Amino acid sequence: AQSVTQLDSQVPVFEEAPVELRCNYSSSVSVYLFWYVQYPNQGLQLLLKYLSGSTLVKGINGFEAEFNKSQTSFHLRKPSVHISDTAEYFCAVKNTDKLIFGTGTRLQVFP
Amino acid sequence: DVKVTQSSRYLVKRTGEKVFLECVQDMDHENMFWYRQDPGLGLRLIYFSYDVKMKEKGDIPEGYSVSREKKERFSLILESASTNQTSMYLCASDLRHSNQPQHFGDGTRLSIL
Repeated sequence: AQSVTQLDSQVPVFEEAPVELRCNYSSSVSVYLFWYVQYPNQGLQLLLKYLSGSTLVKGINGFEAEFNKSQTSFHLRKPSVHISDTAEYFCAVKNTDKLIFGTGTRLQVFP
Repeated sequence: DVKVTQSSRYLVKRTGEKVFLECVQDMDHENMFWYRQDPGLGLRLIYFSYDVKMKEKGDIPEGYSVSREKKERFSLILESASTNQTSMYLCASDLRHSNQPQHFGDGTRLSIL
C-alpha cells in the first residue's frame, strides 16, 4: 500500500530564513504528489502539485518542491519565510481516487 | 471558484446523540470524502462516495455512516456519538479517475461531551 512519510513533526525557523519540509513516499508506477497548507482552524489549501513534466514545481506564496523519483522524495522549500507562513503542511500522494497523507509538519516562524 | 461548504465550523454534542455533519460542493464532482484529523495522526479517511448512493469504507469507518442522496451533498452520521469521536472533520471532493487535487471545506470542529 502507498504511504507518505513526513519525518519532521515540527520545524522552528526564524523569519527570512530558508526552510525545507521533507516528504518521502513509497514508490509506485505513476505518482501524483501534492502539498497542502492548513492555517489554524481552517481547511486544507493546495500549495502545489506534481502531475508530470518538470521535476521542479512552483506553487503559491513563494513555495516550490522538487520531485525526485530515485529518492522517492518531494521536499517543499521556501528561500525566505514570513511570520504568515506559520501553519501545518501536509504532503499527499494520489492512489487511484484516494489521497494518502503524511502526518503533517508544523512550521513555526519566529520574529 | 471551487467551493466545498461544511454546514458548521464548531459543534458541541453529548454522548449518545445522533450527529449529522453536512457537506455541499458546487463543482459537479463525482467523488466526495470525509476525513477526521487528529494531532500527530494526519488525515484519516472515514468514508468516500464516487456517485449518488454509492459509498466505500475508508480506513476508520467504525462508528460512522454516510449518506449521498444528491450529487452535491455528502453527509456524515455519528449514530451514537462517543467522546473518542471528538475531532476535526474535513470534507473534500474531486473528479473521478482524475489526477487533480481534492478540494477541501473549512472543517467542522466537533466536541462530544
